[in-house]
Amino acid sequence: GAVVSQHPSRVICKSGTSVKIECRSLDFQATTMFWYRQFPKQSLMLMATSNEGSKATYEQGVEKDKFLINHASLTLSTLTVTSAHPEDSSFYICVGAQKNTEAFFGQGTRLTVV
Amino acid sequence: QKEVEQDPGPLSVPEGAIVSLNCTYSNSAFQYFMWYRQYSRKGPELLMYTYSSGNKEDGRFTAQVDKSSKYISLFIRDSQPSDSATYLCAALTGGGNKLTFGTGTQLKVEL
Repeated sequence: GAVVSQHPSRVICKSGTSVKIECRSLDFQATTMFWYRQFPKQSLMLMATSNEGSKATYEQGVEKDKFLINHASLTLSTLTVTSAHPEDSSFYICVGAQKNTEAFFGQGTRLTVV
Repeated sequence: QKEVEQDPGPLSVPEGAIVSLNCTYSNSAFQYFMWYRQYSRKGPELLMYTYSSGNKEDGRFTAQVDKSSKYISLFIRDSQPSDSATYLCAALTGGGNKLTFGTGTQLKVEL
């Protein structure tokens, strides 16, 4: 069945460095990739929506220069957290979708900034 | 008003009970309706999805959508302690360009 493969599953980085998270759609072409953030015991918060080949649409309050999203192909989307700070520590999840089908979650990336 | 509303719970039931989880939505453009299960410290996993109105059954799980009332339900029969998790409903437009989640309902099935 369709799968979204997300890597890394867990990353610890130093404050001020950048971290890249990759999501690859397997067995389907994700025309749209949604990026969510989830803080402990809280619900998913949509950060941005990206369509293949175009700029991502960011939700209000999400800094597009800090959270760089690239969706260059139908099977790969990346989220780069630039100049990470401890408050960026969270669980980041991508969700791939295409027309006329359900959506699939990546496994999630637990980011810890120290 | 949120486009997908879900009671956060927590919901506690005895083992073997029938569990009913529900969501409402407001956007008529939603065509696909999904239920995800999320265990603590894990990512959500797709349980079931339904296209438009109707029922879908998979083992102990039944998903139901009533588009006339914009109501989404997930029923769990013979609930087990291993069903204890947070259940998220989600709705997706037919074009696949808008995906909205409920806040999740925390379920605990007790022995």
